[in-house]
Amino acid sequence: EVQLVESGGGLVQPGGSLRLSCAASGFIFSTDWMTWVRQAPGKGLEWVANIKQDGSEENYVDSVKGRFTISRDNAKNSLYLQMNSLRAEDTAVYYCATLDYYEYFGYWGQGTLVIVSS
Amino acid sequence: QSALTQPASVSGSPGQSITISCTGTSNDIGDYNYVSWYQQRPGKAPQLLIYDVVKQPSGISNRFSGSKSGNTASLTISGLQADDEAAYYCASFTSKYTWVFGGGTKLTVL
Repeated sequence: EVQLVESGGGLVQPGGSLRLSCAASGFIFSTDWMTWVRQAPGKGLEWVANIKQDGSEENYVDSVKGRFTISRDNAKNSLYLQMNSLRAEDTAVYYCATLDYYEYFGYWGQGTLVIVSS
Repeated sequence: QSALTQPASVSGSPGQSITISCTGTSNDIGDYNYVSWYQQRPGKAPQLLIYDVVKQPSGISNRFSGSKSGNTASLTISGLQADDEAAYYCASFTSKYTWVFGGGTKLTVL
C-alpha cells in the first residue's frame, strides 16, 4: 500500500523558514517524479513544485521561485520542501504527491499545515 | 499561471447526471492530454478520479467519466449518489512545464 506521510508544518513568523518532509513507502520511490501541492484555508489546490526521479530537474510555480527549494533523498525514500522568506499568503496545507509518468497526481499524503503569522 | 476555470458549484438529484466544465487555454488543456480530475471530501486529501482526459484508475467507479473539446475538459458523474457530494478539481500540464489546477467545484446532491 502506497503511503505518503508529511511532517514539519507549524506556526512560523513572516520572513521565517520551515522545512517540510514527506516519508514515502509502498512503492519504488526512486522511479517517480514527486510534487508538492498546497491548499490555503477554504481555497482551491495550487501546484507548488515538482522534482525528477534523480533530482536533476525541478519546476516551481512563479510565486515561490527563489524562496522554496524541493529536494529528495532516494536512499531515505523522502521528499523535502525548504521554504524561506515565508509570507502570510504561504499559509496552507501542504500535500506531497506522486506525479505518475509526469502525467497526473496519483497518490497523496494527508497534508501538513503551515501557518505564517506574527 | 492562471487557474483553470471551473463553476463554483453544481447540484443534482440522486440518479441524475451532472457535468463539470474546466476551461483553460491553448497553452494547457488545448495542447496537452494530461488533464486529470480529483475528488476532495472535507478535511481529506484529494483522490484521483480521471487521468489523461478519459482514463480511470483502478477502483474508481465507471460512473465518473472525462472528455475534452478544444480548451475545455469536462467531468461527468452519472447516477448521482449522496456520497458524491464533495469538491472536484481539474488539473492540466502547461507549456511552461508546470501544472495548473482549476478553482474547484462544489457538488451538492439535493
